Amino acid sequence: AQRVTQPEKLLSVFKGAPVELKCNYSYSGSPELFWYVQYSRQRLQLLLRHISRESIKGFTADLNKGETSFHLKKPFAQEEDSAMYYCALKGGNTPLVFGKGTRLSVIA
Amino acid sequence: GAVVSQHPSRVICKSGTSVKIECRSLDFQATTMFWYRQFPKQSLMLMATSNEGSKATYEQGVEKDKFLINHASLTLSTLTVTSAHPEDSSFYICSASSKSGPSYNEQFFGPGTRLTVL
Repeated sequence: AQRVTQPEKLLSVFKGAPVELKCNYSYSGSPELFWYVQYSRQRLQLLLRHISRESIKGFTADLNKGETSFHLKKPFAQEEDSAMYYCALKGGNTPLVFGKGTRLSVIA
Repeated sequence: GAVVSQHPSRVICKSGTSVKIECRSLDFQATTMFWYRQFPKQSLMLMATSNEGSKATYEQGVEKDKFLINHASLTLSTLTVTSAHPEDSSFYICSASSKSGPSYNEQFFGPGTRLTVL
């Protein structure tokens, strides 16, 4: 079965501080991992996916197969990063399975 | 990226009535559409997956007779909540993906529809 775990419901950090949003997954095959972001009153949008290995808005995420993790990191948080972040997994042709989400609050 | 729209964005209805929510892919052909439900402060839960021209595949625990899904064309899917009850009040989000083009198999999300059943 596919499962995504985001252990933190809420994460508060000060502006300029490093951010790490945790995500662990369970899947027997080779999954595709994603981070989606939902800003206030906006739709869900793709932030990054592990296969592209790029940095978006300063965020990066590395797939660690040994630890089955895909943590999202940013060295210096900005106020505009405050949003709901969802880690998601896709196995083969199956739909995305989402974690419960972490609300990031960046304090000025 | 590709654009997915939903209509209406918000609907209030009386208990016992039926409500139809439309999901459209505006600039691509969506071979597959997904319907999710999101309760307040909770994650998205997949309700069903539909491929154009085929019957939808429902997730365990989702009543297919209550949540009717139609995917008659490559740009439109509808979700009809039949005989709605207050516990059906939720945020319904559709997602669409295509099996062709540069965004192959990526899911694009609509803005969601907030349903309130009185």
